[in-house]
Amino acid sequence: KQEVTQIPAALSVPEGENLVLNCSFTDSAIYNLQWFRQDPGKGLTSLLLIQSSQREQTSGRLNASLDKSSGRSTLYIAASQPGDSATYLCAVSAQAGTALIFGKGTTLSVSS
Amino acid sequence: GAVVSQHPSRVICKSGTSVKIECRSLDFQATTMFWYRQFPKKSLMLMATSNEGSKATYEQGVEKDKFLINHASLTLSTLTVTSAHPEDSSFYICSARDRQHYTEAFFGQGTRLTVV
Repeated sequence: KQEVTQIPAALSVPEGENLVLNCSFTDSAIYNLQWFRQDPGKGLTSLLLIQSSQREQTSGRLNASLDKSSGRSTLYIAASQPGDSATYLCAVSAQAGTALIFGKGTTLSVSS
Repeated sequence: GAVVSQHPSRVICKSGTSVKIECRSLDFQATTMFWYRQFPKKSLMLMATSNEGSKATYEQGVEKDKFLINHASLTLSTLTVTSAHPEDSSFYICSARDRQHYTEAFFGQGTRLTVV
């Protein structure tokens, strides 16, 4: 059974810092991996999608990498801002069209 | 990206009543939709997979008679919490995948259910 773990559970940084969020999964046979952002009491916003054949994806200040063989992904946030404060969720799917399996998330707080 | 609309965003109901939550894909067709439940400071837990025109597939431990799922069209799935109890209070969120491209999953805004 696939399990997704995110470390750390919570992170507080001052504005401007670069930071890395970690995600690991137990079964390397994934179809793709997605990173999401969730604000308190809100739904999920998709940040980056990495197909199993890809190594990384970039969007603005965000960069996600994938090492499928070792079961790891990282989300790099450059020059963090207070508006980045949210919970970041990592999720994997085993096959095309199947449900996502989520980690518990990393709650990020960026202070000004 | 594609838009998934979930309604209502927040609902308070009395114990014993039923509550219906709608999930619509606004600009794409979704053969499959997924329903998740999220407890405070916990991960999203898959409850069931909703397939258009057929019965939903429920995860182990999820009562299908309590959480009724109907996927009547390619753009609408509904979750009905029947005879709600306080322990059903939670954040429910749906997800849909574009039937043409099974890559990215899109999520609704979620529904905060409070049973009093």
